[in-house]
Amino acid sequence: NAGVTQTPKFHILKIGQSMTLQCTQDMNHNYMYWYRQDPGMGLKLIYYSVGAGITDKGEVPNGYNVSRSTTEDFPLRLELAAPSQTSVYFCAASGLPRNEQFFGPGTRLTVL
Amino acid sequence: QQQVKQSPQSLIVQKGGISIINCAYENTAFDYFPWYQQFPGKGPALLIAIRPDVSEKKEGRFTISFNKSAKQFSLHIMDSQPGDSATYFCAASSAGGTSYGKLTFGQGTILTVHP
Repeated sequence: NAGVTQTPKFHILKIGQSMTLQCTQDMNHNYMYWYRQDPGMGLKLIYYSVGAGITDKGEVPNGYNVSRSTTEDFPLRLELAAPSQTSVYFCAASGLPRNEQFFGPGTRLTVL
Repeated sequence: QQQVKQSPQSLIVQKGGISIINCAYENTAFDYFPWYQQFPGKGPALLIAIRPDVSEKKEGRFTISFNKSAKQFSLHIMDSQPGDSATYFCAASSAGGTSYGKLTFGQGTILTVHP
């Protein structure tokens, strides 16, 4: 049982490039979340999903897109990367709302 | 109104001492208050959580105190150990039908426990 896995662990992106951060969970959880973590700012919710085919915006969705075609996968797409998107990105999964959220190990992204 | 304010930003405690981290919220619809612990290079992990029907919850050396009227809650770590050195986040979510478990996090507290 790997829990929540994220790839890549680290990545450097040039301004204007696009990329997809991968998130996979093997717990069969319906609820999945993407957060970004910036120093001194806590974690901010980017997008979330309550099941395959259902996604919605969180607190800071601008510049990002998501899809959820399967229960297991919840990729985060960055379009036209900007330096403000330099951050650590965490994916999380939960079996029920307000139950424990299980976090992946994170992706550290630098946009230069 | 969605904010959760956490203090202090950083905390240094001697081994065996008590670590106290405080959080305050504004949204009265919040009714689930977890604390997450994060070690460097890792994702956050649930430490302990409380719902507002109780004023205190204890799990081992970790205790949450909850004051509904003041809209405040705090984490107490008794007999702090060097292994407790980590970043701690308070969080909150509401029971509303469209909340879907979305958490609002505090800014985090970096705890250092000196041996």
